[in-house]
Amino acid sequence: QKEVEQDPGPLSVPEGAIVSLNCTYSNSAFQYFMWYRQYSRKGPELLMYTYSSGNKEDGRFTAQVDKSSKYISLFIRDSQPSDSATYLCAMSASNTGNQFYFGTGTSLTVIP
Amino acid sequence: GAVVSQHPSWVICKSGTSVKIECRSLDFQATTMFWYRQFPKQSLMLMATSNEGSKATYEQGVEKDKFLINHASLTLSTLTVTSAHPEDSSFYICSARDLKLTTNEKLFFGSGTQLSVL
Repeated sequence: QKEVEQDPGPLSVPEGAIVSLNCTYSNSAFQYFMWYRQYSRKGPELLMYTYSSGNKEDGRFTAQVDKSSKYISLFIRDSQPSDSATYLCAMSASNTGNQFYFGTGTSLTVIP
Repeated sequence: GAVVSQHPSWVICKSGTSVKIECRSLDFQATTMFWYRQFPKQSLMLMATSNEGSKATYEQGVEKDKFLINHASLTLSTLTVTSAHPEDSSFYICSARDLKLTTNEKLFFGSGTQLSVL
C-alpha cells in the first residue's frame, strides 16, 4: 500500500466551478499537510500548509484535514483557467522539511 | 518566495555517458538540499538528502555510486548521473531548505530537469 494515494485524474471543469481535490494516507504519524501546484515541466510551488486536523482558507483556496479518516482535501472556488496545473498533496510526520511523502498529483484543466 | 534555480531544464544523452545537474539557491543559504525523481504518472520520490560539507544520505534502493551528489557550498548542490541508461530517464527535481527557517513551508523546489537517455 502506498503511503499517499491521490487520484491522478485528469479533471476537467468549466471556469467558475468549485474544484475538489483529495488525498488519502495510511500513516497516522503524518501531522503536516501540504498542497503544491506544479505547472508543466516546472517545480512544485507551495499553495497551502496545514498542521493537524482542521480547515485553512487562503483566498479562493481551502485546505481541509481529517486525521480521523486520514483524508485531506483542497477546494478551489471560482476556478480560473490559470488554475490549470497538476496539484500534489504532500505530508510529513515532522516539521523539518525532511521526508515528504507525495501523492501522484491530480491534473486539472479549467476550461474558459 | 525564495528562488531555487535548477540547470539544465532538459538534457538528452547517449547511454553510458554522465550527466550533471545543478541546483542553486539564489537568495538564501541552504545547508540541506533534497533530490527527487519523478517518473510519469508517479509521485515525487526522494532519492537523497544532500548536506553541505558532508556525505549525502541516500534512500533505500538508490545507488550512491550511480547518483553522485556534491554539496560544495551553501548555495549549490550537484547530482551526477553516471553511466546513464535509458531506465534513468526521468524528471529530476531538487529542493532546498532555508538555513535559517527549517520548517516544511520553507522548502523550495527547483524547476526540474528532464533527462532522456537514448
